[in-house]
Amino acid sequence: DAGVIQSPRHEVTEMGQEVTLRCKPISGHDYLFWYRQTMMRGLELLIYFNNNVPIDDSGMPEDRFSAKMPNASFSTLKIQPSEPRDSAVYFCASSLRGASSYEQYFGPGTRLTVT
Amino acid sequence: AQSVTQLGSHVSVSEGALVLLRCNYSSSVPPYLFWYVQYPNQGLQLLLKYTSAATLVKGINGFEAEFKKSETSFHLTKPSAHMSDAAEYFCAVSVPEYGNKLVFGAGTILRVKS
Repeated sequence: DAGVIQSPRHEVTEMGQEVTLRCKPISGHDYLFWYRQTMMRGLELLIYFNNNVPIDDSGMPEDRFSAKMPNASFSTLKIQPSEPRDSAVYFCASSLRGASSYEQYFGPGTRLTVT
Repeated sequence: AQSVTQLGSHVSVSEGALVLLRCNYSSSVPPYLFWYVQYPNQGLQLLLKYTSAATLVKGINGFEAEFKKSETSFHLTKPSAHMSDAAEYFCAVSVPEYGNKLVFGAGTILRVKS
């Protein structure tokens, strides 16, 4: 299996620009999670989906952030407009309900730098 | 609500020495517990998990953890550290009844000295 795929791996953009991060979960998984990791705040859950439906977006920092999951094999996290404080590593993870323990499988992350 | 506390943001051990990384959890119902490892510039990889079966859980790379309900702990151990174990380790708790979320601890960076 290919595992969780994220693109791009690195993104450098200027403040005010729109940024779109992409994720392809493991085939057959029905949960998808977006996390943000920074030195200051550690690993934060931003939003998660079940069967393509957003379940909990309470971790989304503000309206500049939005996430979609148009189908079971693709999700995007968009930041518009981006700010320097959005610089972080963004991870996508997926899991399967009904599995023995709901463990999540993480992608390699997208390192975002906003200048 | 569930939470996780990892004692010690940095742990340093000599190569060949015992590794002990501490994790305490808070949960009002029986939890699922996990240890993940993150190597530099990589995503998180599952080391091991507790799912209410055996209280002593063995994982990859020689790591194991013991679930102790009375102490609400799930400490990670390895008898002999290897240089390749240097990484950041995260403890996490999940309570399926409250949604399929993982709540992560702050992480512990393990340094292995030669």
